[in-house]
Amino acid sequence: GAVVSQHPSRVICKSGTSVKIECRSLDFQATTMFWYRQFPKQSLMLMATSNEGSKATYEQGVEKDKFLINHASLTLSTLTVTSAHPEDSSFYICSAIATSQETQYFGPGTRLLVL
Amino acid sequence: AQSVTQLGSHVSVSEGALVLLRCNYSSSVPPYLFWYVQYPNQGLQLLLKYTSAATLVKGINGFEAEFKKSETSFHLTKPSAHMSDAAEYFCAVSGRNNRLAFGKGNQVVVIP
Repeated sequence: GAVVSQHPSRVICKSGTSVKIECRSLDFQATTMFWYRQFPKQSLMLMATSNEGSKATYEQGVEKDKFLINHASLTLSTLTVTSAHPEDSSFYICSAIATSQETQYFGPGTRLLVL
Repeated sequence: AQSVTQLGSHVSVSEGALVLLRCNYSSSVPPYLFWYVQYPNQGLQLLLKYTSAATLVKGINGFEAEFKKSETSFHLTKPSAHMSDAAEYFCAVSGRNNRLAFGKGNQVVVIP
C-alpha cells in the first residue's frame, strides 16, 4: 500500500516551453501533496504544499506563477513548470499524505532537463 | 519551526560492520521523526518513523532508531551492513502541520 507514482520519469524540453508533471496516489486518497526539488547531491527542498480543492501554499522564494500547482482530485496533483529555463533543470519529487496521517509517501521523481 | 542536523555527508562502513547514522533535531512541538532512504535517481523510501509511541522503532531492512528526547536525537542503526545498504539516507522532522524538514543526508558507502 501507499504507492505514489509520477509521470513522466524523465523529460527533456527546449527553453521557453512548459512542462507538466503528474503525481498520483495509487491506493489511497491524499488530501495533501507536497512538491520538492532536489539538486545533485543535495537534500530535498520543499517548494509547495498542495491541498485538494484549494490553492497551493508556496515556500518563500518559490515563484507561484512559474511553478503552477493544481490538486484537482484526492489522487492527483500536477506541477507545471512554465516557460522553463536551463536553471529549472532539476529532480522534482512529489509526496502524498493520507487524511489524518503523518507519513509522507514519495513518488519516484521526475528528472527535468531544459536545453 | 523544525530542523534536523546530520553530520558527515559521507559514511563508509565495512560489510558486516555496524551502521550508525546520527540525527539531531530541533522542534518547538512534540516531533514526528522519520528516516528515509534514496537510491540513485529514485524517490524516497520510508525506513521507519517515530510518532510518539515506542521510543525504539524498528524499520525495514534490519534498521532501527531510538528516540531520545533528552538528547534531541534519533540515530539510525543496523547491526550488520550489507552491500545493498549503499544509498543516501535522510533524517526528517515534522510538526503537526506535516511539513517535513530534511537533514542534508548521509551517503553510505559499503566496503566489501
